[in-house]
Amino acid sequence: DAKTTQPNSMESNEEEPVHLPCNHSTISGTDYIHWYRQLPSQGPEYVIHGLTSNVNNRMASLAIAEDRKSSTLILHRATLRDAAVYYCILRDVAGGTSYGKLTFGQGTILTVHP
Amino acid sequence: GAGVSQSPRYKVAKRGQDVALRCDPISGHVSLFWYQQALGQGPEFLTYFQNEAQLDKSGLPSDRFFAERPEGSVSTLKIQRTQQEDSAVYLCASSFWGKGRLSGYTFGSGTRLTVV
Repeated sequence: DAKTTQPNSMESNEEEPVHLPCNHSTISGTDYIHWYRQLPSQGPEYVIHGLTSNVNNRMASLAIAEDRKSSTLILHRATLRDAAVYYCILRDVAGGTSYGKLTFGQGTILTVHP
Repeated sequence: GAGVSQSPRYKVAKRGQDVALRCDPISGHVSLFWYQQALGQGPEFLTYFQNEAQLDKSGLPSDRFFAERPEGSVSTLKIQRTQQEDSAVYLCASSFWGKGRLSGYTFGSGTRLTVV
């Protein structure tokens, strides 16, 4: 599986934008970029995913570099409820026996200060 | 229900005891995954079901771990002769789409297993 690299931790202030980076230099053409987050004592929660174009949803935006070797999850206005571990995951849906399973790394611990 | 339900929420087992962890996926969801999450680590894949068929069990750490989903809905993860290293949070996730389809997975809140 292609791997991702994320900073161990990041900090933000409430109501400020947060940009969470992810490097995936070995991404293949059939890998989708998925982001999940995990709040304390909860299971991971789907945030957003994309292939080549930037994506927006009610939770966040995903900016994907033109060469697809990196991406950035953008939280437009951080709240205290956004404090979580954020995982950037590559998911191969081309076939084979991956079953689209998610391979989690260490993620980025986001701390939001009031 | 609206989400993936796991029970029990917490389980304390004496070393050597057998445990069974239950997952109720969202109704109609074809795909079901089990993950193990040690303290401070990301979740690690254990096994995958597509309906009642267990298509991948490559992540099960030993033959003491066994999972089933006999009717393609509820799944049970069983751990025999528990050891201290089995202490972890066990997460279940489900999705409507099967292999190869794009979908966010819905995770349960997990079962925290502590082996003493």
